Amino acid sequence: DIQMTQSPSSLSASVGDRVTITCRASQSINTYLNWYQQKPGKAPNLLIYSASTLQSGVPSRFSGSGSGTDFTLTISSLQPDDFATYYCQQSFITPRDFGQGTKVEVK
Amino acid sequence: QLQLQESGPGLVKPSETLSLTCSVSGGSISSSVYFWGWIRQPPGYGLEWIGSAYYGGNTYYNPSLKSRVTMSVDTSKNQFSLKLTSVTAADTAVYYCARHRGDGNWALAYWGQGTLVTVSS
Repeated sequence: DIQMTQSPSSLSASVGDRVTITCRASQSINTYLNWYQQKPGKAPNLLIYSASTLQSGVPSRFSGSGSGTDFTLTISSLQPDDFATYYCQQSFITPRDFGQGTKVEVK
Repeated sequence: QLQLQESGPGLVKPSETLSLTCSVSGGSISSSVYFWGWIRQPPGYGLEWIGSAYYGGNTYYNPSLKSRVTMSVDTSKNQFSLKLTSVTAADTAVYYCARHRGDGNWALAYWGQGTLVTVSS
């Protein structure tokens, strides 16, 4: 199985901050990497697929980059609606596992 | 707009079989480009991909659950289902159904609201 490791596990930030979350795969997954946002009590919401493609309807302050084993999700200017938990997921091979999540909290 | 809705018992006894159905509206489950998936999340924990199925019969399961999981697609009812046998307390989770993006892309673009299944006697 491919292990997906996110860092940090949590972070504290303020509105307007630039936020970066990283995801590392235990082996190369090309650009088969997706990012999701989840708010408490809600289903996850797809933000970015194929490492850097923004899902329709997702604000442009979200961006993704990376290939191979190292990936990054960036929120250019954190908004109040962005406080949530973020997950990466590899879609290169079964099992299509998720990272453990990164919780973005209010500073 | 595509909508997915999970249904099934909220309480299952240990050693029994968990059975859930996902009803799809606003789109056809028979579309040749989409896979349909199940994901679960134990309370307070992260997401676990259970498996995905295609209307033509292809299925892909998480090896950690493969011996206990069966997924199927019912095109006549526009539904797909999950069966998980021999459940234990470790199977207590919110279970989500979802649809992949399509065009060979496995990103999960549409999700149901989730249903909590508790395994307890």
